[in-house]
Amino acid sequence: GQQVMQIPQYQHVQEGEDFTTYCNSSTTLSNIQWYKQRPGGHPVFLIQLVKSGEVKKQKRLTFQFGEAKKNSSLHITATQTTDVGTYFCAGPGDATNKLIFGTGTLLAVQP
Amino acid sequence: DVKVTQSSRYLVKRTGEKVFLECVQDMDHENMFWYRQDPGLGLRLIYFSYDVKMKEKGDIPEGYSVSREKKERFSLILESASTNQTSMYLCASSPASSVSPLHFGNGTRLTVT
Repeated sequence: GQQVMQIPQYQHVQEGEDFTTYCNSSTTLSNIQWYKQRPGGHPVFLIQLVKSGEVKKQKRLTFQFGEAKKNSSLHITATQTTDVGTYFCAGPGDATNKLIFGTGTLLAVQP
Repeated sequence: DVKVTQSSRYLVKRTGEKVFLECVQDMDHENMFWYRQDPGLGLRLIYFSYDVKMKEKGDIPEGYSVSREKKERFSLILESASTNQTSMYLCASSPASSVSPLHFGNGTRLTVT
């Protein structure tokens, strides 16, 4: 079945360092969504990408959708302790309205 | 703002018990979902529903059933709880469009002993 993988599974950075997580789908995606889950919290929607090669920015966060629409990345510039959490990508499954989540990347930021 | 409410934050049940996890959303969303979250495995879809009385199996439906009698409520049922069902359960809802983002509840951490 369809799979969405993320790497790395875990990353520990010093505050101020950059961070990138990569998302890879076994199938072409019509769109991709990114979510953030703070420790002890629930996933919260960050952004959605739809077009091939699309790049979107939210302050220090840069999201990219691959040309083939099978991969995506989230890059955080100059991490802060508030960036701590697990970042998930998600894409539509084979059934309408079904969203498949990636395995997530847990980001730890040391002050 | 969309609110998705899960009835319990923490739940402890014994093996073999029947367990009900309740989820209510207040935004008239057509779609509702149940995921379980386990370390290293991300969020895995158990069941989803796109309309009242409609349900579709997700990726890991075994050992679970669901009920959607009203649009705002989606229940997850563990017919006979087992220890491998110890997990964080997350309910989510979204409007009808397949590209709409999900709104999650706070989750229920279920422990089966």
